[in-house]
Amino acid sequence: DAKTTQPNSMESNEEEPVHLPCNHSTISGTDYIHWYRQLPSQGPEYVIHGLTSNVNNRMASLAIAEDRKSSTLILHRATLRDAAVYYCTYNQGGKLIFGQGTELSVKP
Amino acid sequence: NAGVTQTPKFQVLKTGQSMTLQCAQDMNHNSMYWYRQDPGMGLRLIYYSASEGTTDKGEVPNGYNVSRLNKREFSLRLESAAPSQTSVYFCASTLKGTGGYEQYFGPGTRLTVT
Repeated sequence: DAKTTQPNSMESNEEEPVHLPCNHSTISGTDYIHWYRQLPSQGPEYVIHGLTSNVNNRMASLAIAEDRKSSTLILHRATLRDAAVYYCTYNQGGKLIFGQGTELSVKP
Repeated sequence: NAGVTQTPKFQVLKTGQSMTLQCAQDMNHNSMYWYRQDPGMGLRLIYYSASEGTTDKGEVPNGYNVSRLNKREFSLRLESAAPSQTSVYFCASTLKGTGGYEQYFGPGTRLTVT
């Protein structure tokens, strides 16, 4: 099954950039990389996804390594509302398998 | 456009009781999923339905059954609840399960089995 590895927790200061890393060494060439985040007591929320090229949207950027075995979610200016658990996953056989995620705390 | 809705929001069961968790989406999505999340843990896939009329097992299917009633609705049934099934259950949907589309999640059902 799909497996990702992320740091358990990270800290950031408000209004500074945050780089959240993820290793997915077992990914295959056609598997999309997805990132979701979960605020306390809420369902997960989609952040971004990509296949090979770096991707940007209004929430974040996704940098994908050339060999696709790792990726980095970039929040350009962290706010207090970005404090959440961030999950990196990839689609394999029509399903996403989630790991433990990274708990991001943001200090004012 | 309500997105993904789940009922009930909260439920307490006694060991051995049965219940069905309901999920519906109004986005005309083809694929739907059921996950469970234990305290302090990530999500684990229970069952999924790639399209209307099909269902497949995920990582932790034991003790559960599912029904894809139509394109909109995907229900999860616990036939004989056990304390180990105490968890938060999330339903999700996506346009196609090929990976190129985001998943949308419901607000969750918090289930306690005593």
